[in-house]
Amino acid sequence: DSGVTQTPKHLITATGQRVTLRCSPRSGDLSVYWYQQSLDQGLQFLIHYYNGEERAKGNILERFSAQQFPDLHSELNLSSLELGDSALYFCASSVENQALHFGNGTRLTVT
Amino acid sequence: GESVGLHLPTLSVQEGDNSIINCAYSNSASDYFIWYKQESGKGPQFIIDIRSNMDKRQGQRVTVLLNKTVKHLSLQIAATQPGDSAVYFCAERPRGNQFYFGTGTSLTVIP
Repeated sequence: DSGVTQTPKHLITATGQRVTLRCSPRSGDLSVYWYQQSLDQGLQFLIHYYNGEERAKGNILERFSAQQFPDLHSELNLSSLELGDSALYFCASSVENQALHFGNGTRLTVT
Repeated sequence: GESVGLHLPTLSVQEGDNSIINCAYSNSASDYFIWYKQESGKGPQFIIDIRSNMDKRQGQRVTVLLNKTVKHLSLQIAATQPGDSAVYFCAERPRGNQFYFGTGTSLTVIP
């Protein structure tokens, strides 16, 4: 168990809808990262937050947004969903300059 | 984005044999490398890491080798067990930047 908790585990929704994915980092970790993993794809970096502030953006669509709250949990919001957004979404947390520790992901299916 | 590639997408080994999984990275500025294991339905699990000031690092049954001259990383698993069957990813981090992941090698251990 990595100590990173993601909810929900599975999410099925229709095109055009909006969903929110939630992540609780390991105790003491200030950094939270979001990654997308599609079938046969590697992990694609979306966004990084450190202690409530956005640190870096990767290949994140404008329809997607995220935030990190004062208690350090983070939410990834996906809107105007398309079929191609179906993927596994992982959250990872870390101490500064150390390895990322991943949650077990949220499997999003857009129908 | 960065290019982190794996030489072999699939690898099959007999139980008890040693496994070697290879990874080529592209950014000579990368100073931190990590190997992850991902089992079906789970998030990537940290296995071992190595920083650029080292050539070799050993863990329990695993060894990571770093060859900065040819930008190559390898993961050696000793006495491979059925529980080692999974997808293995390497990740590199250019200094102060985000982690970039390869697409993964699927390891199958034959009993």
